[in-house]
Order: sequence, then C-alpha cells, then structure tokens
Amino acid sequence: AQSVAQPEDQVNVAEGNPLTVKCTYSVSGNPYLFWYVQYPNRGLQFLLKYITGDNLVKGSYGFEAEFNKSQTSFHLKKPSALVSDSALYFCAVGTDKLIFGTGTRLQVFP
Amino acid sequence: GAVVSQHPSRVICKSGTSVKIECRSLDFQATTMFWYRQFPKQSLMLMATSNEGSKATYEQGVEKDKFLINHASLTLSTLTVTSAHPEDSSFYICSAPDKRFEQYFGPGTRLTVT
Repeated sequence: AQSVAQPEDQVNVAEGNPLTVKCTYSVSGNPYLFWYVQYPNRGLQFLLKYITGDNLVKGSYGFEAEFNKSQTSFHLKKPSALVSDSALYFCAVGTDKLIFGTGTRLQVFP
Repeated sequence: GAVVSQHPSRVICKSGTSVKIECRSLDFQATTMFWYRQFPKQSLMLMATSNEGSKATYEQGVEKDKFLINHASLTLSTLTVTSAHPEDSSFYICSAPDKRFEQYFGPGTRLTVT
C-alpha cells in the first residue's frame, strides 16, 4: 500500500527566510510524488512532481523539492518565503488516483 | 492550464433529500475523474474513481448506494449524495488527470445537511 506522511501540522517562518515542509513516503516500486497547495476557498493547485530523473525538482512559484530515496523523503523547499505563500500544502503519491498526506499549514509572517 | 469546474460551489439541503454535484473538465477530455472528500482541517480522502462509460470504482468503506457516480461524457462526472444526513456534510472535490500524471482539481463543493 502507498502512503505519505507529513509530520508537521503547521510550519511558521518569517518572510525572506528559507522554508521546508516535510514529507516522507512509503511505496512499493518507483514512487510518483507530488506537492499541491490549497488556498482558502480555492481548489488544489499543482506545484511540482517527481516521477524520474533529477532528484531536485523545480516547480511553480519558486518552490522545489528534493527526492531522497534512502530517506524516503520528498521535502518541499523555497529559498525565500513570501507572506503570500501562506496556505495548506499537501504531499501526495500515486499515478492516477492520489493518496494525500494530512497536510501542513504554512504560515509566513511579515 | 487545464480547468475543472464544479457546480454548485455551496449547497444546503435538508436531511433525507438528495444532492447532485457536477464536475466538468472545461478544455480537455477526461475518461477518468476522481471524487474526494475533505473534512475540516483534514486531508483529502479518495472516495471513488469515475470511469466514462462504465461503473465507478469505490474505495473501501464508501457506500456506493449512497454516493452515486455517473460519468456520462468525457467532460462531465456527477456525484449524487442520496438521502443525505448531517454526517454527510463535507467539502467534496473532484479532479481529472492529464497524461503527465498531473491532476487538475475543481474548486470544491461545500455540502451542508441540516
């Protein structure tokens, strides 16, 4: 069975500082990993994905994620956080149907 | 990018009535769509896979007779919550995948059963 875990319910970071939102996964075989962001009253938006290739994946809005097979992690990162990045972030695994993590609320303070 | 719409965005219904939620892919065809349910401050839980021209595939624990799914065309899937009860109140979200394994999500439908 496939699963993802997001150990942090909330991450707080000051604007301009780097941010990391953690995700670990459990899959048999090669993982298809995704990050999505959900803003209030809006649908989920795709940020980035890892299927194969470079372990460092670059996505939308300056976000990137690093696939680490030995640690079974796929942490989301951004070098310099913006207040507008404040939202709910979901890690997910799957090919067609997705299994989502529990979500991490990112709060960026000015 | 691709757009998925949902209608209605919000609906309030009385206990015992049925509610239909529509999910449309506006600029692409989707042979498969997915229905999720999201409780407050919780993650999305996959309910079922909607297959164009065939029966939906339900996840374990989801009552197929309660949550009726119809995928009558390549751009439309509907979820009907039958005999709704207050515990069915939730945020329902649909999605459709493209060939690059990227999912496009609808904006969601907030169902409140009184």
